[in-house]
Amino acid sequence: EIVMTQSPATLSVSPGERATLSCRASQSVSTYLAWYQQKPGQAPRLLIYGASTRATGVPARFSGSGSGTEFTLTISSLQSDDFAVYYCQQYNNWPRTFGQGTKVEI
Amino acid sequence: EVQLLESGGGLVQPGGSLRLSCVASGFTFSNNGMSWVRQAPGKGLEWVSVISTSGGIIYYADSVKGRFTISRDNSKNTLYLQMNSLRAEDTAIYYCAKKPQGGWFDAWGQGTLVTVSS
Repeated sequence: EIVMTQSPATLSVSPGERATLSCRASQSVSTYLAWYQQKPGQAPRLLIYGASTRATGVPARFSGSGSGTEFTLTISSLQSDDFAVYYCQQYNNWPRTFGQGTKVEI
Repeated sequence: EVQLLESGGGLVQPGGSLRLSCVASGFTFSNNGMSWVRQAPGKGLEWVSVISTSGGIIYYADSVKGRFTISRDNSKNTLYLQMNSLRAEDTAIYYCAKKPQGGWFDAWGQGTLVTVSS
């Protein structure tokens, strides 16, 4: 099983600042990586797939990068709506696995 | 608009069974793989199972293999998860998720809560 490790666990950021979230895979997943956003009491929402492709309707301030074992989700200028938990997920191998999440807080 | 509506959750005793359903609308259900993903209270996401468009390809997480069965009825636009021999650690919100050709999940239901407790 591929283990996905996200860091940091919590990221404290002010509105308008840049946020950088990391995700590391225990073995290469090529670019078969997705990012999701989850707000309290809501289902996850797809942000990024293929490591860097924004899903439909996702604002351009969200960007993904990386390949192999190291990935990054960047939020260029945090807005109040962006404070949430973010998960990475690999889909290169079975079972599909998620990171433990990074909480972005004010 | 894509909609996924789960139902069937509830309180069940350890060793009991439940069947979850997920009714899909707003897209061609038979053209999409579907998955179940769960989230224990206050915890992260855990992938549970996936089924291909025709139901011919199925995978399970080791934690549920042999106890859970995923299935679908394309004529009813409905995904199912039969859960047997339930354990306390199966307590979670269960989400159904739409899986396009790739391995990511591009739409999620609101989830149904399963509580396993005596």
